Amino acid sequence: QVQLKESGPGLVQPSQTLSLTCTVAGFSLTSYNVHWVRQPPGKGLEWMGVIWNTGGTRYNSALKSRLSISKDTSKSQVFLKMNSLQTEDTATYYCARDLTRVDVMDAWGQGASVTVSS
Amino acid sequence: DIQMTQSPSSLSASLGDRVTITCRASQDIGNYLTWFQQKPGKSPRRMIYGATNLAAGVPSRFSGSRSGSDYSLTISSLESEDVADYHCLQSIQYPFTFGSGTKLEIK
Repeated sequence: QVQLKESGPGLVQPSQTLSLTCTVAGFSLTSYNVHWVRQPPGKGLEWMGVIWNTGGTRYNSALKSRLSISKDTSKSQVFLKMNSLQTEDTATYYCARDLTRVDVMDAWGQGASVTVSS
Repeated sequence: DIQMTQSPSSLSASLGDRVTITCRASQDIGNYLTWFQQKPGKSPRRMIYGATNLAAGVPSRFSGSRSGSDYSLTISSLESEDVADYHCLQSIQYPFTFGSGTKLEIK
């Protein structure tokens, strides 16, 4: 059964670094790409970045200077790190997998709610 | 970046109505268009991929179509369980970009 599950701190202080983990099951990170998508409360979805099955990455240019995505294939985990957090980074953060650019995001995690506040 | 202009932002329709939501792409995206449904407090669920392909387990009342740079999601006969937000996504070019979303309610 395909599963993705995000985990991380629910509260982060302004200017600090957010670290989230996406733990997957039922498929291999050597075959699938994993995206990070976020959604501020009451707003739309924002694509943040992707780590490909090969380990390459692409980021949203608006976040590129603050964002890093990596993975540990042996542990079936994908990591998101974003520094210099501000209140506008308060959002639910999702990971989602895909195989190709057409067959995208067929499975999503439950989401991790992150609040940036002192 | 490719802009996805989604309309309407909200929609109220009666049970049994035919409902259409549209996304217009600012550049050619071919068939690299996906539709997601998101119910309150839940993760997005893929409904249509490749502009016209029904995702696994999605009811056949949902369909996707393309006319030039306009992409549409149609519900042929609205049911109460279809109340949700709907989002489009282009995936032909990085950064991937979503439409602004459509809130669908029952009248």
